[in-house]
Amino acid sequence: AQTVTQSQPEMSVQEAETVTLSCTYDTSESDYYLFWYKQPPSRQMILVIRQEAYKQQNATENRFSVNFQKAAKSFSLKISDSQLGDAAMYFCAYRSVGGANSKLTFGKGITLSVRP
Amino acid sequence: DTGVSQDPRHKITKRGQNVTFRCDPISEHNRLYWYRQTLGQGPEFLTYFQNEAQLEKSRLLSDRFSAERPKGSFSTLEIQRTEQGDSAMYLCASSPFGTLGPGELFFGEGSRLTVL
Repeated sequence: AQTVTQSQPEMSVQEAETVTLSCTYDTSESDYYLFWYKQPPSRQMILVIRQEAYKQQNATENRFSVNFQKAAKSFSLKISDSQLGDAAMYFCAYRSVGGANSKLTFGKGITLSVRP
Repeated sequence: DTGVSQDPRHKITKRGQNVTFRCDPISEHNRLYWYRQTLGQGPEFLTYFQNEAQLEKSRLLSDRFSAERPKGSFSTLEIQRTEQGDSAMYLCASSPFGTLGPGELFFGEGSRLTVL
C-alpha cells in the first residue's frame, strides 16, 4: 500500500516571502500521480498543482511549483510571493495510474499561516 | 450547478442513532468518492463508485456504514448505531471517468458529524 508522509504539522511565512512544504511518499509503483490540495478554513478542498511521475519536468502553476525527486520519493511544494489568502491546510496526495485504483491517498497535512 | 454539494452541512446526533448524508456530484462526473476527515488529519478513503457500481470499500468502512448511488447520480452515506468515534467531517468528491492523465477530484464542503 502507498503511504504519504508530511512531517511538518505547521509552518509560517511572511507575506511576499517564499515557503516550501515537504512531502515524502512510499510506493513500489513506477508510474503514478502526485498532487497538492489546499483546504482553507471551513471551505472545500481545491487542487493546487499536480505532477505525473513519468515527467521529469517539475510542474508549475503561477506562484506554485513543485520539486519532484522520484528517486528520493520526495514531492515538495514551493509557494512564492506568499499572500494572505494562501493560509490554509495543504495536503500532499498520491494516486495510482489506472482506472481500478483511482482513489487519492493523503498525507496528514500541514497548516500554513501567513504573517502580514 | 457548479460544484459538489453535500447535505446536511452539520449533523449533531446522540450515540446509537442512525444518520444519513447526501452528496450530489458535478452532473457529468461518473465517479464519486467518500472520505472521512478527523480534526487535524488528512482525509481517509472510505469508498468510491463508478456510476452506480461500488468499486472499492476501505477496511475503515465497518458494517455500520453503507453507501449507495442508486441511479449513478447522487449518493448517500448511512451510519447506523453511531458511536462517538464516528465524529468527523465526511467529504464527498467526484471526477469524470476516462479523463486522460492525472484527473482532479472535486470536493464538496463536507458534512460534519458530531456524536454526543
